[in-house]
Amino acid sequence: AQRVTQPEKLLSVFKGAPVELKCNYSYSGSPELFWYVQYSRQRLQLLLRHISRESIKGFTADLNKGETSFHLKKPFAQEEDSAMYYCALRGGNEKLTFGTGTRLTIIP
Amino acid sequence: NAGVTQTPKFQVLKTGQSMTLQCAQDMNHEYMSWYRQDPGMGLRLIHYSVGAGITDQGEVPNGYNVSRSTTEDFPLRLLSAAPSQTSVYFCASSNRDRANTEAFFGQGTRLTVV
Repeated sequence: AQRVTQPEKLLSVFKGAPVELKCNYSYSGSPELFWYVQYSRQRLQLLLRHISRESIKGFTADLNKGETSFHLKKPFAQEEDSAMYYCALRGGNEKLTFGTGTRLTIIP
Repeated sequence: NAGVTQTPKFQVLKTGQSMTLQCAQDMNHEYMSWYRQDPGMGLRLIHYSVGAGITDQGEVPNGYNVSRSTTEDFPLRLLSAAPSQTSVYFCASSNRDRANTEAFFGQGTRLTVV
């Protein structure tokens, strides 16, 4: 079975402060990990994936297989980062499983 | 490209009624799926399909049916609506190519069962 855990339902951070959204996963094989974001009144969209190892909008995420984690980080939060963030895992059976999401609010 | 299109955007049903939520994509994606989004529970997979003629159950399939007769369309049927099915429903599609498995989502259908 595959499982994604996001322990924080809500996270508030001051503008300019660092942001870390936690994600832990459970999967016996080699997973694909993603972060998706849903801005207000917009569709859910891909933010980044572990395979590409890129930085999008200043966000990065490193897959730590030892700790089974894929935390999302940004060194300096901006007001436009306020959104709902979902960590997701795709397993070998191609099912895409999401965590419960973290609502990030950036305080001006 | 229109991407993933869901209809309707809003729907109110009475308990016991049936209806079909439509989902269509124009990106020739093999993989399509349906999720429901509930407060505090994230997105939960209802059903998914890896290609025309192939469907499988997700985490919460009870009360829902799907079929995949074409690559483009993946309708979700509520057989006998219940208040517990009040939710926002999202359809998604993606490639099966491991090099490019980004999921594209529809705008959602907000369903209320009274």
